[in-house]
Amino acid sequence: AQKVTQAQTEISVVEKEDVTLDCVYETRDTTYYLFWYKQPPSGELVFLIRRNSFDEQNEISGRYSWNFQKSTSSFNFTITASQVVDSAVYFCALSEAGYGGSQGNLIFGKGTKLSVKP
Amino acid sequence: DTAVSQTPKYLVTQMGNDKSIKCEQNLGHDTMYWYKQDSKKFLKIMFSYNNKELIINETVPNRFSPKSPDKAHLNLHINSLELGDSAVYFCASSPGTPSGANVLTFGAGSRLTVL
Repeated sequence: AQKVTQAQTEISVVEKEDVTLDCVYETRDTTYYLFWYKQPPSGELVFLIRRNSFDEQNEISGRYSWNFQKSTSSFNFTITASQVVDSAVYFCALSEAGYGGSQGNLIFGKGTKLSVKP
Repeated sequence: DTAVSQTPKYLVTQMGNDKSIKCEQNLGHDTMYWYKQDSKKFLKIMFSYNNKELIINETVPNRFSPKSPDKAHLNLHINSLELGDSAVYFCASSPGTPSGANVLTFGAGSRLTVL
């Protein structure tokens, strides 16, 4: 069965600190996708990144970076020089490959609430 | 122009009532979904439709009935509402292509409160 674990329930940092959100996943599929979504206090779900299981290259987008390691089944998310606007709940998710409707079944972790204080 | 729009945004109702949430997407996507986020923020899929055909129907009580009149719309009707149905319901859509099939665009959510 597929499973996503975000062990950190809540994290609080002071602005400009770096912070890493952990994500560990379980799947028997050889082809799968990993995601991060952001849910700010306003409640919408914002897509941040998708990674497929064959691409282990780390990715950087501005202050955001992602570290995918198949050997440890982890897909961690780092925010560098955090800002108050980064305060949100962050969700890691997993889905199978394919198309036709079943691949949109995202298995979400329970989320990590990040609070960035000024 | 909102890509995935849900109405209403807030819904407060009494136990036992029947209510509907509507969803429309203008992205030309083939697949639409309903997800439920409970009070602990846990997100779980309820249904998915591909070109009006039901693909995923998770273990949801049959009081919940999705309806897709066309591929741009997926409505959710809930009969005999219970306290435990209180949650935020998210509609989403995704393209029909293999490369984009699981890149979901979510609506803003509909917060249902059952009293």
